[in-house]
Amino acid sequence: GNSVTQMEGPVTLSEEAFLTINCTYTATGYPSLFWYVQYPGEGLQLLLKATKADDKGSNKGFEATYRKETTSFHLEKGSVQVSDSAVYFCAPQGQGAQKLVFGQGTRLTINP
Amino acid sequence: GAGVSQSPRYKVAKRGQDVALRCDPISGHVSLFWYQQALGQGPEFLTYFQNEAQLDKSGLPSDRFFAERPEGSVSTLKIQRTQQEDSAVYLCASSSRPGIRDTQYFGPGTRLTVL
Repeated sequence: GNSVTQMEGPVTLSEEAFLTINCTYTATGYPSLFWYVQYPGEGLQLLLKATKADDKGSNKGFEATYRKETTSFHLEKGSVQVSDSAVYFCAPQGQGAQKLVFGQGTRLTINP
Repeated sequence: GAGVSQSPRYKVAKRGQDVALRCDPISGHVSLFWYQQALGQGPEFLTYFQNEAQLDKSGLPSDRFFAERPEGSVSTLKIQRTQQEDSAVYLCASSSRPGIRDTQYFGPGTRLTVL
């Protein structure tokens, strides 16, 4: 079945630092790839997605590129803010499947 | 518009009790999902409905877990004879279109604590 390996946390950065959270997946066919974010005290929200190889998803300054050759979907942001502090989940959705398969999550803390 | 709502938000049960968790999806959404999120972990899939049909229940951990969506809208996840290992946050999600890998919108979850 599908699986995902996500960069372990916690990750602590200073404001305006560059962020990378690594995510690699195993899946048959051509999965869709998602990043979800969980802010403190809130529910899971979609951050960005990509549905085919070489697509780049972007939102709120975050980007991730669907790399089929390396089966990766790394999350990046050029300059993080305190408000980006949250838990981030990478989640592939297999071709022909409906369910999401979540990584264990990466807790990100941004210090002012 | 209204998002996915879940009730109760918190539930404390004694071991052996039955519990029922409710999910109200976004109006008109065809697909409905239940996930279980243990503390410090990512959500794990439990079951999936398309309208009233339960198309995938491969993630239900035991026959104590049962889900239904009789009219294709509200869904209930029932756990019989709760055990301590059932303590988790139960998340419901809905999406608008079946057969297409559409965005899933999540509710706030129900935190279940089994004593």
